[in-house]
Amino acid sequence: DIQMTQSPSSVSASVGDRVTLTCRASQDIRTWLAWYQQKPGKSPKLLIFAASSLQRGVPSRFTGRGSGTDFTLTISSLQPEDFATYYCQQANSFPFTFGPGTKVEIK
Amino acid sequence: QVQLVESGGGLVRPGGSLRLSCTASGFIFSDYYMSWIRQAPGKGLEWISYISDGGTSIYYADSVRGRFTISRDDAKNSLFLQMDSLRAEDTAVYYCAKIAIFGADYWGQGALVTVSS
Repeated sequence: DIQMTQSPSSVSASVGDRVTLTCRASQDIRTWLAWYQQKPGKSPKLLIFAASSLQRGVPSRFTGRGSGTDFTLTISSLQPEDFATYYCQQANSFPFTFGPGTKVEIK
Repeated sequence: QVQLVESGGGLVRPGGSLRLSCTASGFIFSDYYMSWIRQAPGKGLEWISYISDGGTSIYYADSVRGRFTISRDDAKNSLFLQMDSLRAEDTAVYYCAKIAIFGADYWGQGALVTVSS
């Protein structure tokens, strides 16, 4: 199975900050990567698919980049509703696997 | 709009069984892979099972293989997860998810399964 890692495990930031989260795959997954946002007590929500494509309805302050094994999710100007945990997930091959998540907390 | 509604969660003793159901609407259910994904309290997401459109391809994570069985009834737009020989470590919120080629584009609200004596 393809292993996914994320860094940092948590980050403290303020409203308006630019935040970049990193995800790494244990092998080449081309651009078969998705990012999800999960708030406490809620289901995960798809933000980005195919590494850089924004899911319908997701604000443009979210940007995904990368290919191969290294990927980033950038929030250009953090908003109060963005404080959540973010998971990456590879879709290159079954079984799809998730990273352990990065928690974005309020500074 | 796409809706996925899980049911069947609850408290069960170790070694017991439980059957989760997921009723789908808003899309052509029979055309899509479907999946169960779980999240233990305070932990991350674990993809535990998927079933292809038509049901010919099925996957189980090592953690549940031999104990859980996924199935679908396309006539009823429903997905199921039969969970047997439950263990304390199976305690989690279980999500039903619709699978697109890149992952899970729609999720249910989740069903809490608690395994405890």
